[in-house]
Amino acid sequence: SAVISQKPSRDICQRGTSLTIQCQVDSQVTMMFWYRQQPGQSLTLIATANQGSEATYESGFVIDKFPISRPNLTFSTLTVSNMSPEDSSIYLCSVVEMNTEAFFGQGTRLTVV
Amino acid sequence: GNSVTQMEGPVTLSEEAFLTINCTYTATGYPSLFWYVQYPGEGLQLLLKATKADDKGSNKGFEATYRKETTSFHLEKGSVQVSDSAVYFCALSDPGGDYKLSFGAGTTVTVRA
Repeated sequence: SAVISQKPSRDICQRGTSLTIQCQVDSQVTMMFWYRQQPGQSLTLIATANQGSEATYESGFVIDKFPISRPNLTFSTLTVSNMSPEDSSIYLCSVVEMNTEAFFGQGTRLTVV
Repeated sequence: GNSVTQMEGPVTLSEEAFLTINCTYTATGYPSLFWYVQYPGEGLQLLLKATKADDKGSNKGFEATYRKETTSFHLEKGSVQVSDSAVYFCALSDPGGDYKLSFGAGTTVTVRA
């Protein structure tokens, strides 16, 4: 199975600032996704990270707030822009390898103060 | 759209007790169904899956059967251990095959010695 490294693992940020989260995979994967897990809640899909083109966002999520890059088949970043306390969540990178199943990174626990 | 309804928690059991976590879904077409588990301090990992009606997924003593007629995928284990204490998520992937996951709310299970 793919090994996913997500950085940072946690951070505390000031409101109004931005944080970029990195997701590195040890093999080429067909699909990469970003999810959010708000405190005490389930996971919600933010977007599909498309290699070499703009990400595909789910309803309720926009590029200006959550810009995503995917320059190659093993790496992606998610930026949380102009943060507010409501953005405090765990952000998870997910990959699909060989069209089988989804694997998840350890997540980035973000606290906005 | 797709949705997953999962039994509310938390659930507290004694060791060797029988565990059931109910999960029902709404989807167009025939999704794949999953149970993911999140152990304390760890990332999300796949526990078992089923890709078509009447399939039974099993792993680590856990089982779930894809019931199309009742749109359900209930998780069961006959004799739980303390090490089974975790949060369990039911999920489905879009029938279109794009591996986007819709998650249930999650059920926290605590097993007492």
